[in-house]
Amino acid sequence: GDSVTQMEGPVTLSEEAFLTINCTYTATGYPSLFWYVQYPGEGLQLLLKATKADDKGSNKGFEATYRKETTSFHLEKGSVQVSDSAVYFCALSRRSGGNKLVFGAGTILRVKS
Amino acid sequence: GAVVSQHPSWVICKSGTSVKIECRSLDFQATTMFWYRQFPKQSLMLMATSNEGSKATYEQGVEKDKFLINHASLTLSTLTVTSAHPEDSSFYICSARVVVNSYNEQFFGPGTRLTVL
Repeated sequence: GDSVTQMEGPVTLSEEAFLTINCTYTATGYPSLFWYVQYPGEGLQLLLKATKADDKGSNKGFEATYRKETTSFHLEKGSVQVSDSAVYFCALSRRSGGNKLVFGAGTILRVKS
Repeated sequence: GAVVSQHPSWVICKSGTSVKIECRSLDFQATTMFWYRQFPKQSLMLMATSNEGSKATYEQGVEKDKFLINHASLTLSTLTVTSAHPEDSSFYICSARVVVNSYNEQFFGPGTRLTVL
């Protein structure tokens, strides 16, 4: 079945450091890929998405590129801020799978000032 | 973006009692809502798909009689954990689906922490 694997956390960075959170997936066909962020005490929010190979999703300085050849969708940000501290979830969905979301385990990011 | 609320945000109950969790879409209508369960340091696991006016569709391994879902209106879905036991303690999250330009997007509630003593 479909699955998503994320790097384990927590990831602890200093402010203005470069961020990479790895995400790889296993799925039949051509899934859409997502990154969600969950701030403390809040619900998951869609951070960015990509619906086909080589698409780049971007939002709030975060970027991720849909790499079909490596089945990856790694999240990057050039300069993190303390306010980026949150849990980040990689996910996929397929139309043939009823558009249900399949999530990775989540990666905790802690940014220190 | 669209807002989804959940009530209560946390609940503690005794073993054997039933607990109802509400999921509301505040500024939009949703014919489809989803219920997830999240264990500590683990991913969100889809429990069921709730469709307004019809029976919910449960994922494999989820007990229908244990987790009762009702989607009586376009803005409200409820999850009732019947005869709760300590192993039901978890974080329950709902989402509501919106179709935007033929694309399905889910908006998530903040979650409900259930602790069964």
